[in-house]
Amino acid sequence: DAGVTQSPTHLIKTRGQQVTLRCSPISGHKSVSWYQQVLGQGPQFIFQYYEKEERGRGNFPDRFSARQFPNYSSELNVNALLLGDSALYLCASSGGTGDYGYTFGSGTRLTVV
Amino acid sequence: EDQVTQSPEALRLQEGESSSLNCSYTVSGLRGLFWYRQDPGKGPEFLFTLYSAGEEKEKERLKATLTKKESFLHITAPKPEDSATYLCAVQAGGSSNTGKLIFGQGTTLQVKP
Repeated sequence: DAGVTQSPTHLIKTRGQQVTLRCSPISGHKSVSWYQQVLGQGPQFIFQYYEKEERGRGNFPDRFSARQFPNYSSELNVNALLLGDSALYLCASSGGTGDYGYTFGSGTRLTVV
Repeated sequence: EDQVTQSPEALRLQEGESSSLNCSYTVSGLRGLFWYRQDPGKGPEFLFTLYSAGEEKEKERLKATLTKKESFLHITAPKPEDSATYLCAVQAGGSSNTGKLIFGQGTTLQVKP
């Protein structure tokens, strides 16, 4: 059974560009959360989506946006990239609100130059 | 403000030398405390969820315990393959519908043969 899949695995972008990261949750999971992990630190919460609705948002600027599709997959978009956006972006899926089984994907390594 | 602090930041052990990792937390109404293992360049791998003070869970050489202010991850007779970063995260009661996990910065464990 496939786990949480994220694409691409690695990405290099130039300052000012826009990027889209993709996540497919575990089959049957309806909730997707996005995290940013800067090297040497713990993951920071960006968004959670459940049943295509935003349920939570972390302390990130409006340059960050996300959406969830009818098949529960999700995209994270970041506009006007800054050097400080370089990080590992993680997606986690769970069975729904209040469920404690948060399973993470392997992440997308974004480098902004 | 909800906060998680892990100590030590780094820990070096000889194979077979048991030790403990600490996770101190302040949160408004603990919903759950999570332990994850993370290998370099990979996503966090779920280990345990603890829900209430006094609870303990075990898996192979790992045992997690929980009090009202902190959690410990005890590693008994570690092997080199236990080398990784161990992350602690909490979910506050008010965040149970947002999927937000608050992570500590992690403890990087190195076990030498």
